[in-house]
Amino acid sequence: SQTIHQWPATLVQPVGSPLSLECTVEGTSNPNLYWYRQAAGRGLQLLFYSVGIGQISSEVPQNLSASRPQDRQFILSSKKLLLSDSGFYLCAWSSPLSLAFGQGTRLTVV
Amino acid sequence: GNSVTQMEGPVTLSEEAFLTINCTYTATGYPSLFWYVQYPGEGLQLLLKATKADDKGSNKGFEATYRKETTSFHLEKGSVQVSDSAVYFCALSPNSGYALNFGKGTSLLVTP
Repeated sequence: SQTIHQWPATLVQPVGSPLSLECTVEGTSNPNLYWYRQAAGRGLQLLFYSVGIGQISSEVPQNLSASRPQDRQFILSSKKLLLSDSGFYLCAWSSPLSLAFGQGTRLTVV
Repeated sequence: GNSVTQMEGPVTLSEEAFLTINCTYTATGYPSLFWYVQYPGEGLQLLLKATKADDKGSNKGFEATYRKETTSFHLEKGSVQVSDSAVYFCALSPNSGYALNFGKGTSLLVTP
């Protein structure tokens, strides 16, 4: 069966520090992968999606970037975090039913 | 473009009350419609879906009917439980395999 792993679960980082969130999918090949952000009091915002290795599409301009170095690995990064980057980050992949989500990473920038 | 609008919360209900969370959408063509649930501190889980007009999705006592004439996909449950307390997201997908458009979420709190 297919599973999606996302880590870490929580993260507290100072302003200006770098960020790396990792997501991996098991049990499938060539999945479409997505990074969403859920800010406090707001809905889900699609940040990036990828249809294959090295192929990244950005939905909104921001302080973040994404990379897909391997077929089932999707990484969300930042060189210098801002306070406004705080939120709940969700990785997802397109399953036959719909989108399947990881457990999320709660990022607090202080 | 595609968008989803759902009623704002928070919604507070007593246990065993009837639940309705409204959702309307704007889309070209014939999208698939979804409800996701997010329990505290967790990621989103698919609750139910409908892929064409008049389809009814159902799961765990929740139901939603795809109404093309009113562009709606309202979520209902006849008798809510405390364990149903969560945030509910309505979403649409214009194409299978591509990202969904989500509503802003509706927080539900069920009290004993």
